[in-house]
Amino acid sequence: AQTVTQSQPEMSVQEAETVTLSCTYDTSESDYYLFWYKQPPSRQMILVIRQEAYKQQNATENRFSVNFQKAAKSFSLKISDSQLGDAAMYFCAYRSALGGGADGLTFGKGTHLIIQP
Amino acid sequence: GAVVSQHPSRVICKSGTSVKIECRSLDFQATTMFWYRQFPKQSLMLMATSNEGSKATYEQGVEKDKFLINHASLTLSTLTVTSAHPEDSSFYICSARDPGMDVNSPLHFGNGTRLTVT
Repeated sequence: AQTVTQSQPEMSVQEAETVTLSCTYDTSESDYYLFWYKQPPSRQMILVIRQEAYKQQNATENRFSVNFQKAAKSFSLKISDSQLGDAAMYFCAYRSALGGGADGLTFGKGTHLIIQP
Repeated sequence: GAVVSQHPSRVICKSGTSVKIECRSLDFQATTMFWYRQFPKQSLMLMATSNEGSKATYEQGVEKDKFLINHASLTLSTLTVTSAHPEDSSFYICSARDPGMDVNSPLHFGNGTRLTVT
């Protein structure tokens, strides 16, 4: 079974600064997908960024980028120019590629991101 | 874009009663939907995979007789918490993937249902 570990229960960053959230995972599979989801107080799950394991290039979405290290099984999220609206719980998630999309997500425990004005 | 609608958003019920939660895909047909449970300040735990026209697949430790899942149509999956008890109080979230998109496309999540059993 796959596991996802987020070792930072809470992170705090000054507005406009950069913050990195860590995520490691354990799997015996070679093909899979990784995601970062944001969950604000509304509890809605919002996709931040995704990465296909077979792609070496790190994914980027505007101010959000990942550092994907497949050999180390690490998938960290970098948020640049932090904004107050970025404050939320951030979950790292894994999905197997074997099931053709029929597999659910395995989530980490989450990191609570606080943005200091 | 694709949307998943979940209803109700909040429900309070008495211990011993059953509660049904609906998850609908609004603009795509979802052959597979997923049900998650989230305790306060904790992560989402996959409970079961709902398959249209067949039995749901439950994760280890999830009681299938307690959490009944029905996926009778391509746009609707329901989760029924039977004989609810206070320990069933939690936040339940469904998700679905649009099969018309790439297999690596992300899941779409409903807004969740907060269940409180008194």
